[in-house]
Parts: sequence; C-alpha cells; structure tokens
Amino acid sequence: DAGVIQSPRHEVTEMGQEVTLRCKPISGHDYLFWYRQTMMRGLELLIYFNNNVPIDDSGMPEDRFSAKMPNASFSTLKIQPSEPRDSAVYFCASRELGVETQYFGPGTRLLVL
Amino acid sequence: QKEVEQNSGPLSVPEGAIASLNCTYSDRGSQSFFWYRQYSGKSPELIMSIYSNGDKEDGRFTAQLNKASQYVSLLIRDSQPSDSATYLCAVNTPPGAGSYQLTFGKGTKLSVIP
Repeated sequence: DAGVIQSPRHEVTEMGQEVTLRCKPISGHDYLFWYRQTMMRGLELLIYFNNNVPIDDSGMPEDRFSAKMPNASFSTLKIQPSEPRDSAVYFCASRELGVETQYFGPGTRLLVL
Repeated sequence: QKEVEQNSGPLSVPEGAIASLNCTYSDRGSQSFFWYRQYSGKSPELIMSIYSNGDKEDGRFTAQLNKASQYVSLLIRDSQPSDSATYLCAVNTPPGAGSYQLTFGKGTKLSVIP
C-alpha cells in the first residue's frame, strides 16, 4: 500500500486566497483525521470522519476552514480566505476500524504571505 | 480540557546511553497511550503503544505507564544518533465508546551525541 497520500506537499499563497489541501487515506481505513502542526501549538486535531461522515469538527479554528469527504478515498481541507496565521504543516491521517494506530501522510507545508 | 504535557527539551544524551522521555496527562479517563517519533520535516510515526499499568518492551524501547500518577514514559536503551528526533506522546480519551481521538503533547526533542 502507498500509505496516506497528501497533495500538494508545499503551498505558498497570498493572504486572502483560497487554499485546498487534498488527502487520500489508506484503502480500507474507516477513519480520516486532519491535523495542524505549529511550533507554538503542537499537533492539533481539526476534524475527523468515520465512513465519510464528519464526526467531530470542534477543532476547526473558524468558519474559514471547511472539510469534506465525498467518498472513502478522498478528502479535502479548504481555507477561504487564507491568513498568515494559517501557516503551518497540515497532516492527514487514517486508521481502520478496531485498530487505534493512526498512519500519517507526509503533510502539506502551507505558507500564507 | 484534555492536556498532555511533555518537557520540550532539547534532551541531549551521549551515544549508548539511556534516554528517558516523560509525559503527563490530565484526564483520568484516558485509556490508551502512544509514543510517536517525528524526524525533522517528516510526519509522525508510531513506535510504541501501551494500555495497562507497567512496562512494555519492544527492542531498545520500553514504555512505562502509571495511571494512578497519570504518567507515561519512554526509555530508549543504547541510544543511537538515528534516534535523534522529536518524540510525541499521545493519549486517547474517548468521551464515549468508539471516539478514538488522540490528544498530542508538543513533543520532546531528543539529540543523541556521537
């Protein structure tokens, strides 16, 4: 298996622009997680899905952030409009039902100027 | 508010020594505990999990759990320069059955000096 796939790996954009991050979980995994990592706040859970349904989005910082999972093999995290404080590494992770181990993708490094 | 606390380090140990990494957590309902290793510029990878009080050994790694003290530790024996990384403690405190959310500490940076 190729593992969790994320794209793009790096994104540089200007404040006010829309940013879309993409994730393909490991095939057969039922749960998908979006995290954000910064030096100040560490690794924070933003939202997670079970069988494509959002279960808990309490970590989403504000309405500028939205996430979707239209099918079992694809999820997006969108920021609109982006702000410099959104600069961080965004990780997607997945796991299968009954197994607590989460497998992380390589991350997307976002810089908002 | 669930909290997981780690000493940010850096923790420097000489090659061949034992590295000891510590973690405390705030929620007594926590049931599962994990150690992830993250190399600079890379994603976290799971190295140990522990669910019951006591020690769990896997090669050079030993995880220790004390639920009464709300304390988890990771010992790395015969430390190697390749162990130099940030180690993240993660705790699963489901509010109900099947939640499986992980709360991560900010990590301890370990540097093994040749």
